[in-house]
Amino acid sequence: GAGVSQSPSNKVTEKGKDVELRCDPISGHTALYWYRQSLGQGLEFLIYFQGNSAPDKSGLPSDRFSAERTGGSVSTLTIQRTQQEDSAVYLCASSLVSGGGETQYFGPGTRLLVL
Amino acid sequence: QKEVEQDPGPLSVPEGAIVSLNCTYSNSAFQYFMWYRQYSRKGPELLMYTYSSGNKEDGRFTAQVDKSSKYISLFIRDSQPSDSATYLCAMSELGYSGAGSYQLTFGKGTKLSVIP
Repeated sequence: GAGVSQSPSNKVTEKGKDVELRCDPISGHTALYWYRQSLGQGLEFLIYFQGNSAPDKSGLPSDRFSAERTGGSVSTLTIQRTQQEDSAVYLCASSLVSGGGETQYFGPGTRLLVL
Repeated sequence: QKEVEQDPGPLSVPEGAIVSLNCTYSNSAFQYFMWYRQYSRKGPELLMYTYSSGNKEDGRFTAQVDKSSKYISLFIRDSQPSDSATYLCAMSELGYSGAGSYQLTFGKGTKLSVIP
């Protein structure tokens, strides 16, 4: 595809339910990032995947959050037992790793609302 | 104190004005500096990218980095209504630490409105 795509674009769920958010990176991009954008908090890093290396999970806010990347392409961010404070826009980005400071291209985001 | 500070605005200017957007940071390890533009209900898109100190110009946009002061700026000349968006500064450290990544640290964004 031409850019990073994410689905669903919007998700409303009830507190305590699990949700899965999907990201399709740009073809050929080996690095994939998840960020969260909350009102008043800005964009916060969640997790990073690069090839077959162990992911950098240092930004995940709790063990309710997990992510997978299958076949070096599509990624799924899972939030278990959702809480109201999980309501935010979840953004995915991908990039070509070129040794540092590579450009990250963002998808449109998934807007999650936990009632 | 957060690693990256950015005035959230909102900032409202008349069409044709020069706009100055700024961020300060505390982490001296930051080496890559970026400005992203985000329209309402869209993902951020890269506007400008600079490495280390200095100026970079691209059309009506100029990015400026002063590492000694830990201060970066984005200038928009002849601002247009289509420039109305939220502008996010972002930074990353040089190199791959092994345990870390090329994660970006963002400012909170400045919401800009250019009035026709």
